[in-house]
Amino acid sequence: SSELTQDPAVSVALGQTVRITCQGDSLRSYYASWYQQKPGQAPVVVIYGKNKRPSGIPDRFSGSSSGNTASLTITGAQAEDEADYYCNSRDSSGNRMFGGGTKLTVL
Amino acid sequence: QVQLVQSEAEMKKPGASVKVSCKASGYTFTSNAMHWVRQAPGQRLEWMGWINAGNGNTQYSQNFQGRVTITRDASASTAYMELSSLRSEDSAVYYCAKDVSVVVSGDYYFDYWGQGTLVTVSS
Repeated sequence: SSELTQDPAVSVALGQTVRITCQGDSLRSYYASWYQQKPGQAPVVVIYGKNKRPSGIPDRFSGSSSGNTASLTITGAQAEDEADYYCNSRDSSGNRMFGGGTKLTVL
Repeated sequence: QVQLVQSEAEMKKPGASVKVSCKASGYTFTSNAMHWVRQAPGQRLEWMGWINAGNGNTQYSQNFQGRVTITRDASASTAYMELSSLRSEDSAVYYCAKDVSVVVSGDYYFDYWGQGTLVTVSS
């Protein structure tokens, strides 16, 4: 299957920890990358590869993977983390695919 | 600094074609592939395809096979995405995104994105 599945919405209390998951067969072979998208803006990569953060991304963002599931964890969520989060991966042919996105609400 | 600057918004009639450009700067254009991703209003990101900016080879999502053509002008450091036979469901923001692929480490991701180009299809 070339699909990635995410929960549509997740909420977290300010300062608490939240995990956003992504499931798909491709994740058994390839790492997921994770993108944060705020309204009216282009996506921004927050995690890629084996738990790597681009320069400028706070260390409260981390990634992990097990079997067919990739996870994005935000430890100590901040108000500015409220956004849509998308996972992305590739298949053996080089095609890319996005998950359906998870809307994160920080309470 | 890396920048991807896309063309302005377009309004098209059903059945027409649209061509969106993405001008890259701040890196060697031919060293990285370029992807195209679209997002209909309130919807998910959808991968459309990519082009090897070095040799021009392309790969397209099956969802767009036969309707999308991605090209590049290496001398102008610009990638293009043309979508034909437009219908109302193609109304969306279209993004270009710079590829990073490192086989040894398994890093595959998009490190820079264009600002997006709104394409509206309406009669």
